Parts: sequence; C-alpha cells; structure tokens
Amino acid sequence: QKEVEQDPGPLSVPEGAIVSLNCTYSNSAFQYFMWYRQYSRKGPELLMYTYSSGNKEDGRFTAQVDKSSKYISLFIRDSQPSDSATYLCAMVNTNAGKSTFGDGTTLTVKP
Amino acid sequence: NAGVTQTPKFQVLKTGQSMTLQCAQDMNHEYMSWYRQDPGMGLRLIHYSVGAGITDQGEVPNGYNVSRSTTEDFPLRLLSAAPSQTSVYFCASSYSIGVPSSSYNSPLHFGNGTRLTVT
Repeated sequence: QKEVEQDPGPLSVPEGAIVSLNCTYSNSAFQYFMWYRQYSRKGPELLMYTYSSGNKEDGRFTAQVDKSSKYISLFIRDSQPSDSATYLCAMVNTNAGKSTFGDGTTLTVKP
Repeated sequence: NAGVTQTPKFQVLKTGQSMTLQCAQDMNHEYMSWYRQDPGMGLRLIHYSVGAGITDQGEVPNGYNVSRSTTEDFPLRLLSAAPSQTSVYFCASSYSIGVPSSSYNSPLHFGNGTRLTVT
C-alpha cells in the first residue's frame, strides 16, 4: 500500500467551477503538507505549504489538512483555464528528510 | 537567479550506454535530490544529498550513481542504460534549516526535467 494516495482524475470542469483535489496518507510521521502544480513539460512548482491541521488560503486556493483523518485537500475557487495542470500533493517526514508524492491529478478547465 | 538548471533537456541512449545528467542550483541550497516521473507512478526519489560530500539512496536507486563535490552541483550517472530507465528525470533542491543532519522542512525547487529514452 502506498503511503500517499491521490484521487487519480483526470478532472474536466467548466471555467468558474469550484475544484476539489484530495489526498489521503497512512504515515503519522508526516508533518508538512504541500501542493505542487505542474504544467505540461515543466517541473513541479510549489503552490501551497502548511504544517498544521486547518485551512490556509492564498487567493483562489485553499489548502485543508485534517491530521486526525489523515486527509488533505486543495480547493480552487473560480477556476480559470490557466489552472489547467497536474496537481501533486506531497508530504514530508522530517525525521526521514524526504518528500513523498501522490501520483498527481490532471485538471482541465474549459473556457 | 537561474534556480535549478538541468541539462540536457532531451536524450536518447542505446541499451548499455552510460551518461551523466547534470543538475546545478544557484540558491545555496544544502539539500538536492533526483526524482524520476513515470505515468501512473508519480515522482519517485532516486538519490538525495543533504550537503557536499553526503549522499544517500532513495526509493529507486538501482542503476544510478550520484556524487556531491560542491554545494551547487549534483550529477546523476546512469552506469549502463536499460529501457526501464526511460523516464523524465527531475532534479530538486531546497534550503535545509540548520546542520545537514537536522530535519528538512522546506519546499522543493524543481528543474524542468530531462526526458530520457533508452532504446
């Protein structure tokens, strides 16, 4: 069983829709939770970063972490065609010094 | 600031050939790592380094070697290429707070990848 499971997608939504991307994890040692966005033929880039349960907002993006349920989500409000990309969740076990990634969810926002 | 620079962008090898994928960063990051990305398998860690002179194996190290002689550079060597090593390779770095042996908790900065095909 993988330590990090990500909803596989792909997702296709109309412009303006609310998007929910989700990951679950099994390792209680994970302390930091990140979302990366990866455009086609590019490297992943950090979108959101949190280390505590609760919500963190950045513009149209909200990252939610529920450590008791071992569940994290990324919400995108008023989605735009420019949000079309693959979204990767990542979790860090600081004791091991490594990031563990989900497999990614590919999102397409149609104008 | 160039960030993380990977060369080459594309490479085709024949089975059994060797090559080195180059990675350089200009952010004075202590932590550097190599991942491979395959369809349906996400990003898998090959090797990583917490500072110059220190390297360790990741999840899928077989067939790959690394060294870290400087803070800036972290080359990945394929010793004898196999078709199973066809993949997109990403180098990533981050700023580790504290001494190299302490916890790592800062986000990764990725290069734009090397697309490798082994025939």
